[in-house]
Amino acid sequence: EIVLTQSPGTLSLSPGERATLSCRASQSLSSTYIAWYQQKPGQAPRLLIYGASSRATGIPDRFSGSGSGTDFTLTLSRLEPEDFAVYYCQQYGSSPFTFGPGTKVDFK
Amino acid sequence: QVQLQESGPGLVKPSETLSLTCTVSGGSMSNYYWNWIRQPPGKGLEWIGYIYYSGSINYNPSLRSRVTMSVDTSKNQLSLKLSSVTAADTAVYHCARGLASCGGDCYGPWGQGTLVTVSS
Repeated sequence: EIVLTQSPGTLSLSPGERATLSCRASQSLSSTYIAWYQQKPGQAPRLLIYGASSRATGIPDRFSGSGSGTDFTLTLSRLEPEDFAVYYCQQYGSSPFTFGPGTKVDFK
Repeated sequence: QVQLQESGPGLVKPSETLSLTCTVSGGSMSNYYWNWIRQPPGKGLEWIGYIYYSGSINYNPSLRSRVTMSVDTSKNQLSLKLSSVTAADTAVYHCARGLASCGGDCYGPWGQGTLVTVSS
């Protein structure tokens, strides 16, 4: 089973700042089979990025993803108030598909 | 747009079987993978497994001995059964559609989820 590690656990920032979230896999993914989700309290996760760098339908371009192999990054170029949430990465290169523990982006 | 809604008992006794249904509206179940994912309170996400609309399945090995998924495309529903539950199975259970661009293995949209508590 591929284990995903996310860092930092919490990121304290202000609106307008740039957020960089990291996801590291315990094994190299054969392709860019990484997705990113946003989850707000009491809500279901929402798909942001798939294939490491492709934005899902309706996701604004301030969200971008990059990386390959074992290291992946989600970047929020300029935080909006609605972006404060928990972000999860997920690998779907190898079953069982697994999620990272999440990074919480909260207000500084 | 496609919407998913989970339903089922919110309380299950230890050793009994958890049974949930997910109703899909606004679209067809055909040609998609349908997933169950759970989230213990205050914790992260765990993929339980998927069922393709035609019935093929893939379960998480950690739960495989206790999980059964089925699909009824005529009713636009999928179901989850988890047997011999313990307190560790207490979680919000989500159903989610697999995105075709990910080969069905990333998820959107999701149902809101239903909290199932295992307690006597």
